[in-house]
Amino acid sequence: EIVLTQSPATLSLSPGERATLSCRASQSVSSNLAWYQQKPGQAPRLLIYDTSTRATGIPPRFSGSGSGTDFTLIISSLEAEDFVVYYCQQGSNWPVTFGQGTRLEIK
Amino acid sequence: QVQLQQWGAGLLKPSETLSLTCIIYGGSFSGYYWSWIRQSPGKGLEWIGEINEDGNTNYNTSLKSRVTISIDTSKNQFSLNLTSVTAADTAVYYCARVSILGLHSFDYWGQGTLVTVSS
Repeated sequence: EIVLTQSPATLSLSPGERATLSCRASQSVSSNLAWYQQKPGQAPRLLIYDTSTRATGIPPRFSGSGSGTDFTLIISSLEAEDFVVYYCQQGSNWPVTFGQGTRLEIK
Repeated sequence: QVQLQQWGAGLLKPSETLSLTCIIYGGSFSGYYWSWIRQSPGKGLEWIGEINEDGNTNYNTSLKSRVTISIDTSKNQFSLNLTSVTAADTAVYYCARVSILGLHSFDYWGQGTLVTVSS
């Protein structure tokens, strides 16, 4: 099973700042990595798939990069609604696995 | 607009069987895989398994001996059965569609069902 390790666990920033979230895989997942946003009491929402492709309706301030084992989600200028939890997920190997999440909090 | 709506019992006793159903509105049922995913404070998000319209399934090996996912294409529904539940199965359970864009990402999710296992 591929283990995804997200860092940091919590990121404290201010609105308007740039957020950089990391996801490291225990072995290569090629480009088969997705990012999700989860607001309290809601299901996860797909933000990015295939490492860098934004899902339908996702604003351009969200971008993804990386390959192999190291991936990054960048939120270029934080808005109030962005301060929630983000998960990475790999679909390259069975079983599909998720990272443990990064919580973005207001500084 | 695709919508997934799920339902099922929210409180179970140890050794009972968890049963959840998910219905798909507003989109094609065929051509996709349909998944169950759960989320607990202890284990985070955990993929349980998936099924397609032909009944082909894939399961997480950690749960495979207790899981059955079935489908009813006439009703645009698919279901999850998890036998012999314990407190460790307490979680929010989600149904989700496997996107055809990207490899095994999930583009539509149900609202989630909290299942608590307690004696």
